[in-house]
Amino acid sequence: DIVMTQTPLSLSLTPGQPASISCKSSQSLLFSDGRTYLDWYLQKAGQPPQLLIYEGSNRFSGVPDRFSGSGSGTGFTLKISRVEAEDVGVYYCMQRIQPPWTFGQGTKVEIK
Amino acid sequence: EVQLVESGGDLVQPGGSLRLSCAASGFIFSSHAMSWLRQAPGKGLEWVSAISDSGGSTFYADSVKGRFTVSRDNSKNTLYLHMNSLRAEDTAVYYCASAPAYWGQGALVTVSS
Repeated sequence: DIVMTQTPLSLSLTPGQPASISCKSSQSLLFSDGRTYLDWYLQKAGQPPQLLIYEGSNRFSGVPDRFSGSGSGTGFTLKISRVEAEDVGVYYCMQRIQPPWTFGQGTKVEIK
Repeated sequence: EVQLVESGGDLVQPGGSLRLSCAASGFIFSSHAMSWLRQAPGKGLEWVSAISDSGGSTFYADSVKGRFTVSRDNSKNTLYLHMNSLRAEDTAVYYCASAPAYWGQGALVTVSS
């Protein structure tokens, strides 16, 4: 199974600060079709995960442009340019290049 | 608008069985692979199972292999998860998803005596 290692596990930020979350995979997530199967989700309390970034760097429809994804192969980063109060929750990376799909441990983001 | 609505969650005794359903709308269900994922109380996300668009290929996490069966009825736009020999560690909110973008609200399965 592909192991996903996410850091840090928690962030405490003031509104307007930037944020960066790292996700490393134990195998390359670049598939033979040229796509990289790494997605980023935010799960707010009591809700299902909501997609932020798919295939490494593509912002999903309706996601604010303060969210961006980058990386390739086995190393990926989610950045929030200026954190807002509504960004609180747990962020997960997920690989779906092969079953079993696996997730990072999650990064809990709180706003001071 | 894409909608995925799970049903069938319940309290069940260890060793028991349960069937979850997921009603899909707002997209061409028969053209999309579908998945089940779960989240135990206070824990992270875990992928459980997936099924191809036609239903001809299925995949399972090792933790449920041999006990859970995923199926679909494309004429009814519905995904199923048949769960047998349930254990306490299967207690979780179960989500159906058309990954990566669309997830249901989840169905709670509690396995306890």
